[in-house]
Amino acid sequence: GDSVTQMEGPVTLSEEAFLTINCTYTATGYPSLFWYVQYPGEGLQLLLKATKADDKGSNKGFEATYRKETTSFHLEKGSVQVSDSAVYFCALSENNTGKLIFGQGTTLQVKP
Amino acid sequence: ETGVTQTPRHLVMGMTNKKSLKCEQHLGHNAMYWYKQSAKKPLELMFVYSLEERVENNSVPSRFSPECPNSSHLFLHLHTLQPEDSALYLCASSQVLADTQYFGPGTRLTVL
Repeated sequence: GDSVTQMEGPVTLSEEAFLTINCTYTATGYPSLFWYVQYPGEGLQLLLKATKADDKGSNKGFEATYRKETTSFHLEKGSVQVSDSAVYFCALSENNTGKLIFGQGTTLQVKP
Repeated sequence: ETGVTQTPRHLVMGMTNKKSLKCEQHLGHNAMYWYKQSAKKPLELMFVYSLEERVENNSVPSRFSPECPNSSHLFLHLHTLQPEDSALYLCASSQVLADTQYFGPGTRLTVL
């Protein structure tokens, strides 16, 4: 079945460092891909999405590009802030069913 | 209220209690979802409703009983739960199935 694999955390960075969180997927067909963020004590917030190959999703300085050839959707940010500390989830949406398949989540801690 | 709301935010119950979780979406969406988020496990889809009809029941034990009286409201009725059911229960909605899902803040459930 479809699956999503994220790099294991926690990831600890200093403020203004460059961030990459790796995400790869296996799927039949052409799923939509998402990054969600979960701040402490809260639910999931949609961070960005891409619906087809080579699309780039971006929001709040974060970016991810849908790479069909490498089945990847890595999350990047050029300069992280303490307020970016959260758990980040990569997910894919199965075609036609609406079912979201999530990775296990990656905890990011940004230190001042 | 905007977005997706969930009540209560925290719930502690005994194994013999009956309680209900409530989700309301203010987005005019037609599909709603229940997810379970346990420590150290990926998010698990429990139920999917589209136009008030259940379209997915992801092998969830019968002690969890969903109800969708209209497209804006979704309930999760709980009875005779087990301590391993303690988790964060997240509700989400989307315009239609397979569209982008928006999450509520979750209900933190503790079963004693």
